[in-house]
Amino acid sequence: EAEVAQSPRYKITEKSQAVAFWCDPISGHATLYWYRQILGQGPELLVQFQDESVVDDSQLPKDRFSAERLKGVDSTLKIQPAELGDSAMYLCASSSSVNQPQHFGDGTRLSIL
Amino acid sequence: AQTVTQSQPEMSVQEAETVTLSCTYDTSESDYYLFWYKQPPSRQMILVIRQEAYKQQNATENRFSVNFQKAAKSFSLKISDSQLGDAAMYFCAFLNTNAGKSTFGDGTTLTVKP
Repeated sequence: EAEVAQSPRYKITEKSQAVAFWCDPISGHATLYWYRQILGQGPELLVQFQDESVVDDSQLPKDRFSAERLKGVDSTLKIQPAELGDSAMYLCASSSSVNQPQHFGDGTRLSIL
Repeated sequence: AQTVTQSQPEMSVQEAETVTLSCTYDTSESDYYLFWYKQPPSRQMILVIRQEAYKQQNATENRFSVNFQKAAKSFSLKISDSQLGDAAMYFCAFLNTNAGKSTFGDGTTLTVKP
């Protein structure tokens, strides 16, 4: 079982609906990442947190995506409204610092109908 | 911006044989880390091996070793004595230590034949 917890594992929803993903990193890990992985491709960074602060969200579509890590521990990624092109695997990862290897969760597979 | 290229979308190897997965990258940074991650089907991505750019010695982890050619910006992964459990998608990743940002390649799917 992954040490980085993500939920749900699978999410099916219709376009225009709101969807939220949750991630609980390894205890003590200050750096948290959200990635989007399209089938057959490598992960693409959406947002990176250092404690509760966003350090990189340059690839996050801010018109529909939002992310927060209010207490510097667990994090939520939200999409509203969802579009067909958002169908992908959403991975959460954490590391003890930015220069250490990342530990990944099992991911949430999102399907938009 | 950094780019990571894995030119082999798919590779196959016979069990117990050796296989090498290729990775090249482009950067103007001098201080960085390189990683290989493994993602088995429907399972989490895990770290296989890492290499610090300032180290000339190639990293080794049991049956996994790298050939790091800094001048050529090449970072290949060699898997010796391949096992059925090695079947997975392998991702090469570049970490810019100044920005603390990772860039992943598009992966190589490795099939191990019994």
